[in-house]
Amino acid sequence: AQSVTQPDIHITVSEGASLELRCNYSYGATPYLFWYVQSPGQGLQLLLKYFSGDTLVQGIKGFEAEFKRSQSSFNLRKPSVHWSDAAEYFCAVATSGGSYIPTFGRGTSLIVHP
Amino acid sequence: EAGVAQSPRYKIIEKRQSVAFWCNPISGHATLYWYQQILGQGPKLLIQFQNNGVVDDSQLPKDRFSAERLKGVDSTLKIQPAKLEDSAVYLCASSMGTGGFNEQFFGPGTRLTVL
Repeated sequence: AQSVTQPDIHITVSEGASLELRCNYSYGATPYLFWYVQSPGQGLQLLLKYFSGDTLVQGIKGFEAEFKRSQSSFNLRKPSVHWSDAAEYFCAVATSGGSYIPTFGRGTSLIVHP
Repeated sequence: EAGVAQSPRYKIIEKRQSVAFWCNPISGHATLYWYQQILGQGPKLLIQFQNNGVVDDSQLPKDRFSAERLKGVDSTLKIQPAKLEDSAVYLCASSMGTGGFNEQFFGPGTRLTVL
């Protein structure tokens, strides 16, 4: 069965600093991988996704993520964080074994200090 | 393009009462999903519809939860009777088709509190 782990419950960064949110998955083959952002009181918004090809994926709002097969990881990065990036971030995995139903991680809460 | 609409946004009920949530997906989206998001956790799929047929409801507690998507457009999710552990945000999402490569668009959710 597929699973996804986000080891950090909270991450605190200063505005303008770089950001990396960790995501690890468990699945025998390469899954479909996603990062979503959820602002307070809002639904989830897709930041980026990886299916195949180039392992460095560019998304919206200046985010990028890198798929590393050897580490079963799909970490989200941003070179310079803005105060408006404060939100909950979810990594998700979808596989053929799971009928492509996404399994979400528990989320990482990003706190941005001025 | 209008997004996924959900109502109500908030609902407070007492245990053993019933409650219903409504979702209107993006026009033309054949696939509709209901997720349950308990505080501090990621969303968990309850049920997936393709048009008006159920694709997956393996994680739906069928003794108390029911969902329908008449005419393959709007959908309602019902809980009867509610338990304390049903307190959560219920998210509706839609996509053009099934399969992991289809982007899901989420509504704002309905926050349910069961007292």
